[in-house]
Amino acid sequence: SYEVTQPFSVSVALGQTATITCEGNDIGSKDVQWYQQKPGQAPVLVIYRGSMRPAGVSGRFSGSNSGNTATLTISRVGAGDEADYYCQLWDTNMAVFGGGTKLTVL
Amino acid sequence: QVKLVESGGGLVKPGGSLRLSCVGSGFTFSDHYMTWIRQAPGKGLQCVSFISDTGRFANYADSVTGRFTISRDNAKSSLHLQMTNLRVEDTGLYYCARVLSGYDQIDYWGLGTLVTVSS
Repeated sequence: SYEVTQPFSVSVALGQTATITCEGNDIGSKDVQWYQQKPGQAPVLVIYRGSMRPAGVSGRFSGSNSGNTATLTISRVGAGDEADYYCQLWDTNMAVFGGGTKLTVL
Repeated sequence: QVKLVESGGGLVKPGGSLRLSCVGSGFTFSDHYMTWIRQAPGKGLQCVSFISDTGRFANYADSVTGRFTISRDNAKSSLHLQMTNLRVEDTGLYYCARVLSGYDQIDYWGLGTLVTVSS
């Protein structure tokens, strides 16, 4: 089965740019989604099809996907961005999630 | 607005059974693939099952194949997950979620229903 790997945690200073990666074999050929999950809440879609932003999601969130790495970038990070972030794609008719990355805002 | 409400979770002994349900509103339920995604305490997300819009096609994670059965009733805008022979490792929060179209983004999630398997 297809596997994707995310860093367990990422730390970023307030107001700086956070980068969260999702690695998988030729992941650039797949559509990747990103979800934000805050404690005690359901996940929320923040990026779909690699770089598309749903209505209502801040323009500070952006995504890219090429080669073996998909990337979620959050610019001008604020305290409200502290959360777990999961990448997701479809493989053999099932949704596959990365292990999640805990974003800490310093 | 789109709403998904799960029910049916609870405490069950290993080897027991539970039936989870999810009712959708605010959208045409029969237009969408649906999925059950679980999250063990303090852990990540795992898709356990997935069903097509008509219900003709379903798929399961290896860890639940043969024990879980997903179904839907489009007339009642409802999704179900029959879980049998439950194991301690099935413990977690089970989310019902909508897929926008086919194998596309999972765009709406319910709040989840908690399943605890313990003796």
